[in-house]
Amino acid sequence: GESVGLHLPTLSVQEGDNSIINCAYSNSASDYFIWYKQESGKGPQFIIDIRSNMDKRQGQRVTVLLNKTVKHLSLQIAATQPGDSAVYFCAENETGANSKLTFGKGITLSVRP
Amino acid sequence: NAGVTQTPKFRVLKTGQSMTLLCAQDMNHEYMYWYRQDPGMGLRLIHYSVGEGTTAKGEVPDGYNVSRLKKQNFLLGLESAAPSQTSVYFCASSLYSGRGTDTQYFGPGTRLTVL
Repeated sequence: GESVGLHLPTLSVQEGDNSIINCAYSNSASDYFIWYKQESGKGPQFIIDIRSNMDKRQGQRVTVLLNKTVKHLSLQIAATQPGDSAVYFCAENETGANSKLTFGKGITLSVRP
Repeated sequence: NAGVTQTPKFRVLKTGQSMTLLCAQDMNHEYMYWYRQDPGMGLRLIHYSVGEGTTAKGEVPDGYNVSRLKKQNFLLGLESAAPSQTSVYFCASSLYSGRGTDTQYFGPGTRLTVL
């Protein structure tokens, strides 16, 4: 079936470096993508989203890139800080699917001081 | 705005007991969702609602029931709890659907243990 997955279960980066978290999706009809951040003991928190008519979107210190040709999504975090340590989820949605999101399993970002 | 709130935060049940988890949102969102999160499984949709008085099954609905009597509240019920229902439960809401571009906002979660 269709699924959203992440390549790596954990990512360790040095404080101050840039982080890149990757996500592959398999539903070619997906047209909306979201990145969530989940800190320990808390619910997922919206970071940034992108629609399929775009290939790049920037937020504060974060950038999401979408490559529809290879069905790949990435989240770039600039100047990674200790507060960025969390689990990150990508999610995808297909228009008409009642806004039901399909989530990846999550990747843990660990920031080394 | 409080956003999405969940009650209770923690609960321990014995097998066969029943309970109801309450989700409330003050953002006037039409859509509400219940997920469970298990290690290595990500978030899985249990049930969802597209408006007051309506509910629909998600990916893993068995053993759960829901009700949406008021727009701001979405209740998740376990009639006869089983150890397999030990999980962290998250409620979410979104403003509107049909366009497939509406962000879901999540509550803080309820950690449920069934012994």
